[in-house]
Amino acid sequence: KNQVEQSPQSLIILEGKNCTLQCNYTVSPFSNLRWYKQDTGRGPVSLTIMTFSENTKSNGRYTATLDADTKQSSLHITASQLSDSASYICVVSEGTGANNLFFGTGTRLTVIP
Amino acid sequence: DTEVTQTPKHLVMGMTNKKSLKCEQHMGHRAMYWYKQKAKKPPELMFVYSYEKLSINESVPSRFSPECPNSSLLNLHLHALQPEDSALYLCASSQVKEGAGHYEQYFGPGTRLTVT
Repeated sequence: KNQVEQSPQSLIILEGKNCTLQCNYTVSPFSNLRWYKQDTGRGPVSLTIMTFSENTKSNGRYTATLDADTKQSSLHITASQLSDSASYICVVSEGTGANNLFFGTGTRLTVIP
Repeated sequence: DTEVTQTPKHLVMGMTNKKSLKCEQHMGHRAMYWYKQKAKKPPELMFVYSYEKLSINESVPSRFSPECPNSSLLNLHLHALQPEDSALYLCASSQVKEGAGHYEQYFGPGTRLTVT
């Protein structure tokens, strides 16, 4: 069964600290993995996208890693800011002809001053 | 222009009302999507349009009726909704997936729907 699991469910950190969010998936065949940031009541915004051959990708203070062998990904946020408070969703695309995306349940990050 | 716009931002409707949600993109994408998202849950796919034709209907009740009048617009017509239909409705667009190529879905800001 194709699934995407994220941990932790929620996380509270102090402003300026770093954090790492985890994503494990069982989607097969695998096409690509994306991390989205979603502010409350808003649509998701893409942070990174990685294919099978990529194991690290950065976007500013966000760095995503992918281990296709263990089917794990992480999103590392450095020097957190209050505006980083949001839900972070891991989305895995199935590598078949259909437009199948599998969404994780997200990690709710709260950055406090 | 990498923006997907949705109107209205908020909508409150009674169970006997008829309303429509609108979505627009000008990125030349030929695939457009409707998702429903309940609080603290991931988005759930409702419909997919590919080249203005409905290609996926995820067993959505008939009180939700999608329409794609042209390649830039996507509507969701609502009629006789139930309170449990209250949610954030997200529109997204992407290139049409061909072969093994990957694509990215661009999401709109959503319409917050409340059914009373």
